[in-house]
Amino acid sequence: EPEVTQTPSHQVTQMGQEVILRCVPISNHLYFYWYRQILGQKVEFLVSFYNNEISEKSEIFDDQFSVERPDGSNFTLKIRSTKLEDSAMYFCASGSGLSMNEQFFGPGTRLTVL
Amino acid sequence: DAKTTQPPSMDCAEGRAANLPCNHSTISGNEYVYWYRQIHSQGPQYIIHGLKNNETNEMASLIITEDRKSSTLILPHATLRDTAVYYCIVWDTGFQKLVFGTGTRLLVSP
Repeated sequence: EPEVTQTPSHQVTQMGQEVILRCVPISNHLYFYWYRQILGQKVEFLVSFYNNEISEKSEIFDDQFSVERPDGSNFTLKIRSTKLEDSAMYFCASGSGLSMNEQFFGPGTRLTVL
Repeated sequence: DAKTTQPPSMDCAEGRAANLPCNHSTISGNEYVYWYRQIHSQGPQYIIHGLKNNETNEMASLIITEDRKSSTLILPHATLRDTAVYYCIVWDTGFQKLVFGTGTRLLVSP
């Protein structure tokens, strides 16, 4: 069964450093998403991406964040200058758009900012 | 903010039906009810969705009241692997994002 994959599973970085989180969505999907979940808190929407552009973003997704689909298969989330409060699980999701809003989530990347 | 209200936790015996309630009294006509679950710290997993009619798939059944102000997710024969946080989400077709609340933590015990 096709699945969304994410790398790395765990990323540790120093405050102020740039990180890139990588996702490989399901191959025929057209809609891509990033969510995050701070430990013990709700899953929060960050951004959605369709047709090579951002279609929706939350207040969390400020200028420090960017997304890219560099090669037609990967979908990346870049945090330019990490802060302590960026420590969280980051989930990538994808959807075909055919089954309303059924989104398939990856296993997540745990980001720890020291 | 999430438009749904769910009990914070529920218990269920293995092999019994788990009935998870959700209130969405402010739901509007074009909004769907979606259910996802999150097992431990894994990514959320889609379960089922509906608009007006009751729905059933291989994982669960969804019962939506006639006034659409509440719904119930039914896991007919709960197993230990069904222990998870279950999220009821009201989704507007005009947006793409899913808005997660705090969900119901279901504990299935032997």
